[in-house]
Amino acid sequence: DAGVTQSPTHLIKTRGQHVTLRCSPISGHKSVSWYQQVLGQGPQFIFQYYEKEERGRGNFPDRFSARQFPNYSSELNVNALLLGDSALYLCASSLILQGRNYGYTFGSGTRLTVV
Amino acid sequence: QKEVEQDPGPLSVPEGAIVSLNCTYSNSAFQYFMWYRQYSRKGPELLMYTYSSGNKEDGRFTAQVDKSSKYISLFIRDSQPSDSATYLCAMGLITGNQFYFGTGTSLTVIP
Repeated sequence: DAGVTQSPTHLIKTRGQHVTLRCSPISGHKSVSWYQQVLGQGPQFIFQYYEKEERGRGNFPDRFSARQFPNYSSELNVNALLLGDSALYLCASSLILQGRNYGYTFGSGTRLTVV
Repeated sequence: QKEVEQDPGPLSVPEGAIVSLNCTYSNSAFQYFMWYRQYSRKGPELLMYTYSSGNKEDGRFTAQVDKSSKYISLFIRDSQPSDSATYLCAMGLITGNQFYFGTGTSLTVIP
């Protein structure tokens, strides 16, 4: 059974460019969350999507957007990249039962470097 | 004030030692508490979760929650070199749309 898959694993972009990160959740999981982890810090919440709808958004600028597809995979888009966007971007898959989230299974992340 | 505070360490112990990792939190509404382990350049892996105050044991790991003090701990008995990783506490509402993470404690177990 495949875990959470993220692509690409590494990415180098130039300031001002746009990036798209992709995630496939565990089969049967309908919730995907995105977190940003800066080196030496804990993951910071960006978005949660459940049943293809945005259910939560963290304190990130509008340059960050996401969507979830009918097969529950998800994309995170970041426009007008800044040096400070360099981080490990983690996708988390959740099984939501009766509105309850029992914890995340994370992918290995996409390491984004902005130069 | 941060939602979750965690001492970043680093923590270095000899093999076989008992390790204690701790977090404090500010939101008394938090009801669901987790510990994740993260190896270098990997995503976090869920180790343990608990809902209530008290202790929960799983092999060499014990999670402890004290809601009255807003304090949680993870104890690792008979620590092994393979336990060397960063340990993240996380918590929130089980019906919420996000969990709040600590900064992580870096642990090295020396053979």
